[in-house]
Amino acid sequence: NAGVTQTPKFQVLKTGQSMTLQCAQDMNHNSMYWYRQDPGMGLRLIYYSASEGTTDKGEVPNGYNVSRLNKREFSLRLESAAPSQTSVYFCASTLFGQPNQPQHFGDGTRLSIL
Amino acid sequence: GENVEQHPSTLSVQEGDSAVIKCTYSDSASNYFPWYKQELGKGPQLIIDIRSNVGEKKDQRIAVTLNKTAKHFSLHITETQPEDSAVYFCAAPLSGSARQLTFGSGTQLTVLP
Repeated sequence: NAGVTQTPKFQVLKTGQSMTLQCAQDMNHNSMYWYRQDPGMGLRLIYYSASEGTTDKGEVPNGYNVSRLNKREFSLRLESAAPSQTSVYFCASTLFGQPNQPQHFGDGTRLSIL
Repeated sequence: GENVEQHPSTLSVQEGDSAVIKCTYSDSASNYFPWYKQELGKGPQLIIDIRSNVGEKKDQRIAVTLNKTAKHFSLHITETQPEDSAVYFCAAPLSGSARQLTFGSGTQLTVLP
């Protein structure tokens, strides 16, 4: 089983460029999440989607947009990349959007912005 | 704001020794405390969790203890092995949110052969 698949795995952008990070899960989960991971700061929630058709801001949403394309796919878009957005981005999913359920993570997208 | 504090940030132990990682939380209403393990180049993976109605939970060499009065919980790994080397994260429900977890800052555990 693939679980949660993220593409691309690595990306280098120039300041001001845009890009979309893709995430897909094959576990029939309802809820999906985007996190960023920076050294010494753990995982911080950017946006989440409790169910198909809904999205909500997390702790650090500025500079990002998301789209819940269907039940399987949840994309994260950087409209005008900034060096402060250099990070490792993780997508996760849970069966239902409750904090007491295991979150299943992808292997991340490593993004560098020059 | 900060909901979960995790210590230490790095931990080195000899193979076969025990390792303990501690987290404190601020919201007394929190009722679920998972631990995730992240291997190099991979995403975090749930290894054990505990709910607030129990004080301890074990799964082979891994255990988690919860002290609700003091608002802290700990991960215990016994008989450590090289494959236990990874970054470990604790988490708890985000105060005021019905849907979000907040994560600790992580502990890099190194098991020395």
